[in-house]
Amino acid sequence: QSALTQPASVSGSPGQSITISCTGTSNDVGDYNLVSWYQQHPGKAPKLMIYEVSKRPSGVSNRFSGSKSDNTASLTISGLQAEDETDYYCCSYAGSSPNWVFGGGTKLTVL
Amino acid sequence: QVQLQESGPGLVKPSETLSLTCTVSGASITSYYWNWIRQPPGQGLEWIGYIYYSGGTNYNPSLKSRVTMSVDTSKNQFSLKLSSVTAADTAVYYCARGRPADRSFDYWGQGTLVTVSS
Repeated sequence: QSALTQPASVSGSPGQSITISCTGTSNDVGDYNLVSWYQQHPGKAPKLMIYEVSKRPSGVSNRFSGSKSDNTASLTISGLQAEDETDYYCCSYAGSSPNWVFGGGTKLTVL
Repeated sequence: QVQLQESGPGLVKPSETLSLTCTVSGASITSYYWNWIRQPPGQGLEWIGYIYYSGGTNYNPSLKSRVTMSVDTSKNQFSLKLSSVTAADTAVYYCARGRPADRSFDYWGQGTLVTVSS
């Protein structure tokens, strides 16, 4: 069982927006603005998409955005494209060991 | 261009020790946190631990009794040893660079599948 809770799957049509939630506790998501999101295509390494809750690394599309409220972080993808269809993982710094905790992952399907 | 590359045996027998090395190119290992993260087949990600260039380490408590990490700054490499492995340790093992400022993992190796089987 993963430390952070994500929905197993979400779906949306091309052009629409979807949001993936990531629920933790007051010891991780709720205590630190250090949530990151990773995109992972099958057989590939995870790719950093969002860090510090809402910041995008250089080269990541501005269709990806992040936010946080209390113990829940969210990833929103707007203007869905076929290439967005894959798995997404949230991660939070948690201070004491384990220092980092991940969500179980969400499979995004673009209909 | 920062690149990380895992290397090591793809098959380990139960009760033996899993050993992997990560070679870093395009960046000096004398900064950042250097992490090991694993992913069992069809499952999510699990942080194993990190090592700092100075040799300081921090491990996931769930694995701490079996994990040892080391670093070789002369070769720009860091390594993982996981002892007394069982089938539950079968996973893709990734090495990843951790950024101290924002606690994210910005560069990852391609991953290497380690299967525990006799």
